[in-house]
Amino acid sequence: AQRVTQPEKLLSVFKGAPVELKCNYSYSGSPELFWYVQYSRQRLQLLLRHISRESIKGFTADLNKGETSFHLKKPFAQEEDSAMYYCALNGGNTDKLIFGTGTRLQVFP
Amino acid sequence: SQTIHQWPATLVQPVGSPLSLECTVEGTSNPNLYWYRQAAGRGLQLLFYSVGIGQISSEVPQNLSASRPQDRQFILSSKKLLLSDSGFYLCACQGGEFMNTEAFFGQGTRLTVV
Repeated sequence: AQRVTQPEKLLSVFKGAPVELKCNYSYSGSPELFWYVQYSRQRLQLLLRHISRESIKGFTADLNKGETSFHLKKPFAQEEDSAMYYCALNGGNTDKLIFGTGTRLQVFP
Repeated sequence: SQTIHQWPATLVQPVGSPLSLECTVEGTSNPNLYWYRQAAGRGLQLLFYSVGIGQISSEVPQNLSASRPQDRQFILSSKKLLLSDSGFYLCACQGGEFMNTEAFFGQGTRLTVV
């Protein structure tokens, strides 16, 4: 069965500190992994997806199939990164999109 | 790009009353459509998803139902609301004619059952 686990409900760091939001998944095939972000009073939106292999707002995420992980990283956190972050998995075009429980990132000045 | 319209933004309903939340999609055809409930500490719980007109999959047993009467319309309903139905409901779409796996979300509906 598809499952996404985000073990941290809250992650608090100071500005300029490195950030790593953890995500582990279970899926029998080759899934597509995503990170979505929800800033205060805004809609949930895509941050990045593993197939793009790009850095968005300084964030990167590498799919590790051996560890079934897709951790989100940023070397130097900014205050504007404070938001709710969700890891998500999609198993295919007609398969369902499921989310983890989310991690709230707080970046203090 | 795809746009999701979801209404109303907030709703206060008495226990036992019916519910109808509507979601419509612009900018694509034949999308996958989803209803989620967002709760603090529980993340985004998938309630229903649909891959086509009249095709609904339910993920959790509950007091709610969903329908897809048209390709780009997705409705969340209840015949009699319970207090436990209070929450924040999100509609999303994905896929469609452009095979875009990015999901687009509505603004959400804050439902309070009193």
